Amino acid sequence: EDKVVQSPLSLVVHEGDTVTLNCSYEVTNFRSLLWYKQEKKAPTFLFMLTSSGIEKKSGRLSSILDKKELFSILNITATQTGDSAIYLCASPGAGSYQLTFGKGTKLSVIP
Amino acid sequence: DVKVTQSSRYLVKRTGEKVFLECVQDMDHENMFWYRQDPGLGLRLIYFSYDVKMKEKGDIPEGYSVSREKKERFSLILESASTNQTSMYLCASSPWSATNEKLFFGSGTQLSVL
Repeated sequence: EDKVVQSPLSLVVHEGDTVTLNCSYEVTNFRSLLWYKQEKKAPTFLFMLTSSGIEKKSGRLSSILDKKELFSILNITATQTGDSAIYLCASPGAGSYQLTFGKGTKLSVIP
Repeated sequence: DVKVTQSSRYLVKRTGEKVFLECVQDMDHENMFWYRQDPGLGLRLIYFSYDVKMKEKGDIPEGYSVSREKKERFSLILESASTNQTSMYLCASSPWSATNEKLFFGSGTQLSVL
């Protein structure tokens, strides 16, 4: 059975801090790992990672994949209150298009 | 701009009622999905469909059915709602290509069954 595990499950930081969110996976025939941000309701896509060691970056957010150790991290630098959200990590299962999601990390950024 | 639209943001139903949750996408995507999201449990797949009139069970299909009569519309049906089906329901779609696996989500329906 495919598994995606995120840690920590919740995190409270102050504005300006840097945070690292973790995602480990055990997925048959691994193809990719995806990160989503969920504020309020609809998760929105952040990154898709397929290759080890290649950092993907978007503004203050970045992510990297380690296919040897089977994990990914999502970094957010100089956090802002607008970064408060649930961050979801997911990976597609073997031979299918459906994603297996982790339970998410709830990030709260306080002024 | 791409869009997945769920018909209701909030819904309150009584135990035993038949409940329909509707989802429409305007991106001509082949794949559509229904997830439920509960605190501490994350997103769990209920059903998905990869073509009109085709459906596959996800991880937690019990108590639910689906209908996909048209490519753009995917309906989730609770035949006889129960209190343990109180949850946030998220619809999503994705294109067919295996190299583009990212999902586009609707805004969710918060269902309360009393």
